[in-house]
Amino acid sequence: SAVISQKPSRDICQRGTSLTIQCQVDSQVTMMFWYRQQPGQSLTLIATANQGSEATYESGFVIDKFPISRPNLTFSTLTVSNMSPEDSSIYLCSVVILGMNEQYFGPGTRLTVT
Amino acid sequence: RKEVEQDPGPFNVPEGATVAFNCTYSNSASQSFFWYRQDCRKEPKLLMSVYSSGNEDGRFTAQLNRASQYISLLIRDSKLSDSATYLCVVNRGFGNEKLTFGTGTRLTIIP
Repeated sequence: SAVISQKPSRDICQRGTSLTIQCQVDSQVTMMFWYRQQPGQSLTLIATANQGSEATYESGFVIDKFPISRPNLTFSTLTVSNMSPEDSSIYLCSVVILGMNEQYFGPGTRLTVT
Repeated sequence: RKEVEQDPGPFNVPEGATVAFNCTYSNSASQSFFWYRQDCRKEPKLLMSVYSSGNEDGRFTAQLNRASQYISLLIRDSKLSDSATYLCVVNRGFGNEKLTFGTGTRLTIIP
């Protein structure tokens, strides 16, 4: 597996503001993804973070709301923009390690929007 | 029909018992199958991949039935530490690393 870190681990934000979440992994990875887990629900894929190019978004998620960067193979950021209480959720990054098939998850960022 | 369906439970099982979870998936093109466990307020952790011939890892046995599009997980000699939510996960097709998660089955092992 790999060591995956996310910052911040949690935050409480006011509506209308933006928060950028960082994901760093200590191994070579092929794929990086961002997920959301709303209270009491399972994980929903937001987008695939592509190195050096625009992320690939899933249906229902748009770049203006969730801009993503991946400047290199082991680091990515997700920004939650113009937040509303409905954005309160856990945001998780996941990676596929080079040579492996499985996905491993970061510890998540617990976001509360007031 | 949901892409991945699981019985949400809860399953309350005495310590030492055997428990089985089932999962069905709708995408016949799915090629990769996994069970993850998620503890309260933690990230999902990979429990095991599921192979066509079935596979075992200690007390855990996973089975795949492609014809019925059905996956199972069996836990033998359950421990208190097995209490968690178990997520059935499938990929979206051949060579597609995007995953679809079931809503999870909540298991509580009772002393």
